[in-house]
Amino acid sequence: AQSVTQPDIHITVSEGASLELRCNYSYGATPYLFWYVQSPGQGLQLLLKYFSGDTLVQGIKGFEAEFKRSQSSFNLRKPSVHWSDAAEYFCAVGTYSGGGADGLTFGKGTHLIIQP
Amino acid sequence: DSGVTQTPKHLITATGQRVTLRCSPRSGDLSVYWYQQSLDQGLQFLIQYYNGEERAKGNILERFSAQQFPDLHSELNLSSLELGDSALYFCASSVARTSGSREQFFGPGTRLTVL
Repeated sequence: AQSVTQPDIHITVSEGASLELRCNYSYGATPYLFWYVQSPGQGLQLLLKYFSGDTLVQGIKGFEAEFKRSQSSFNLRKPSVHWSDAAEYFCAVGTYSGGGADGLTFGKGTHLIIQP
Repeated sequence: DSGVTQTPKHLITATGQRVTLRCSPRSGDLSVYWYQQSLDQGLQFLIQYYNGEERAKGNILERFSAQQFPDLHSELNLSSLELGDSALYFCASSVARTSGSREQFFGPGTRLTVL
């Protein structure tokens, strides 16, 4: 079964500084990977996705992520964070095989705090 | 706005009761997924329906059930409620049959509080 690990429960970054959120996955085949963001009291918004092809993917709000198969990682980055980026970030892996449990498998999330 | 709607937004009920959560997917999406988000378990996949039929099951309790209607809206039924069922329940929709092949769009969620 697939799994996702987000090693950092909380991260604090100063406004204007760069950001990297870590995500490691475990899956028996080429994964389909996603990053979602959840603001307080809100649903989940898709930031970006990786299906195949270029391992560096661009998303909304200036975010990007790099898929590294050798490290089983899909880290999220942003060169300069804004106070509005404070939120909970979730990495997820999707399956494309039939049968059994499906649905996205999420990491536990990383809570991003922005310091002024 | 993802285009996925969920009602009600908040639900407060007592232990032992039964509730129904409703979800309308984005126009054109055939798949509906239900997820539960709680502090201790995080985000967990419960069940998926595709074009009216149950397609996949995750960590869904036997006290919970779901269905998808011909107009593609879905309902999640939670019965014999326990305190531990208090959580945020999300619905997500997708055009695809499998979770990996296309992205899912999430609704705003229904916050269930069991007293």
